[in-house]
Amino acid sequence: GEDVEQSLFLSVREGDSSVINCTYTDSSSTYLYWYKQEPGAGLQLLTYIFSNMDMKQDQRLTVLLNKKDKHLSLRIADTQTGDSAIYFCAESPDTGRRALTFGSGTRLQVQP
Amino acid sequence: NAGVTQTPKFRILKIGQSMTLQCTQDMNHNYMYWYRQDPGMGLKLIYYSVGAGITDKGEVPNGYNVSRSTTEDFPLRLELAAPSQTSVYFCASSSAGGPYEQYFGPGTRLTVT
Repeated sequence: GEDVEQSLFLSVREGDSSVINCTYTDSSSTYLYWYKQEPGAGLQLLTYIFSNMDMKQDQRLTVLLNKKDKHLSLRIADTQTGDSAIYFCAESPDTGRRALTFGSGTRLQVQP
Repeated sequence: NAGVTQTPKFRILKIGQSMTLQCTQDMNHNYMYWYRQDPGMGLKLIYYSVGAGITDKGEVPNGYNVSRSTTEDFPLRLELAAPSQTSVYFCASSSAGGPYEQYFGPGTRLTVT
């Protein structure tokens, strides 16, 4: 079945790196995504990775994909207080309807 | 280009009342979705549509209905509101081609008492 799991909470100090982890179950997922949700707002796409890639870098963001272990991670370099939010991992296992399956989200708290 | 817009932002309903949550996108996307987000949880798919005139159920469709008469609009109808429908509702859209990224509206916070 489809299931995406994430740890609930991560606290880091400003300037440190943050690593948010995610495990997924559907090996047929074509794309995997990271979304950011700030308080009271909708979800904003941060980045995505195609399933045939191992790594993708986009400015301060690095996504690592381990398909063998079905593990996805998001690293945020030089974390800032503005990065405090909930981060959702998502997979797209169903190419027909293209709907995403989301994890429960990881709340990132950045302390000054 | 407004993206995905939703109205209203907030609503309080009494048990048994009905309402329609509105969603409009101006990106000419074929795919549209309704999700609900319960506190501390991820998003659950209620209904989706792959184009005008075509809709289908997601994981949690009970108590809801949708229609898709145009490419732009995808309203969600609650017929007999129940406390279990207290949630934040998000509408999203995506294009037909990869990477199938979904664009989300700002959400509607609904409370049923």
